Amino acid sequence: KAGVTQTPRYLIKTRGQQVTLSCSPISGHRSVSWYQQTPGQGLQFLFEYFSETQRNKGNFPGRFSGRQFSNSRSEMNVSTLELGDSALYLCASSLVVSGANVLTFGAGSRLTVL
Amino acid sequence: AQSVTQLDSHVSVSEGTPVLLRCNYSSSYSPSLFWYVQHPNKGLQLLLKYTSAATLVKGINGFEAEFKKSETSFHLTKPSAHMSDAAEYFCVVSAAGGYQKVTFGTGTKLQVIP
Repeated sequence: KAGVTQTPRYLIKTRGQQVTLSCSPISGHRSVSWYQQTPGQGLQFLFEYFSETQRNKGNFPGRFSGRQFSNSRSEMNVSTLELGDSALYLCASSLVVSGANVLTFGAGSRLTVL
Repeated sequence: AQSVTQLDSHVSVSEGTPVLLRCNYSSSYSPSLFWYVQHPNKGLQLLLKYTSAATLVKGINGFEAEFKKSETSFHLTKPSAHMSDAAEYFCVVSAAGGYQKVTFGTGTKLQVIP
């Protein structure tokens, strides 16, 4: 069974550019959530999508956006990139098992902003 | 409301000695609790989960955790550390039932000294 696939794994952008990251969840998982991980701030929740609807959103500026398609694949977009957006972006798909929301993570997309 | 506190940001042990990573939680509902491990530049991997069944939970790679409701704790232990255990560990709480928001701890970095 394929895991959570994130693309691209690594990318370098310059300030002011925009970036789109993709996440393909495990087959059958309808929930996809996104996290930003940096050495200074740790793991921070960005947003979660379920059946193409944003179900929850973290405390990030409007430059960060996402969407989910009918096949549950998700994308996140960051516009007008800043140096501080350099981070590992993690995607997780989830399924409720025995009443618990169990997250399965992808390997992440490492974004460097120059 | 829910929260999770990992009591140590760094833990250092010698190879072959026991590991204890501490986690306290608070939750308005019956919680589901998880431990995840993250090796450098990798995604998070599920070690074990508690979902209101047995209070002593066994996970992968010899790790286990005990849910103690009276102490609101879910500490992670391993009898004998291996070099490959060096990583960052995250304690996670999720409220059971309804929309299940997931809250991450700030992480504990485990160093294993040869």
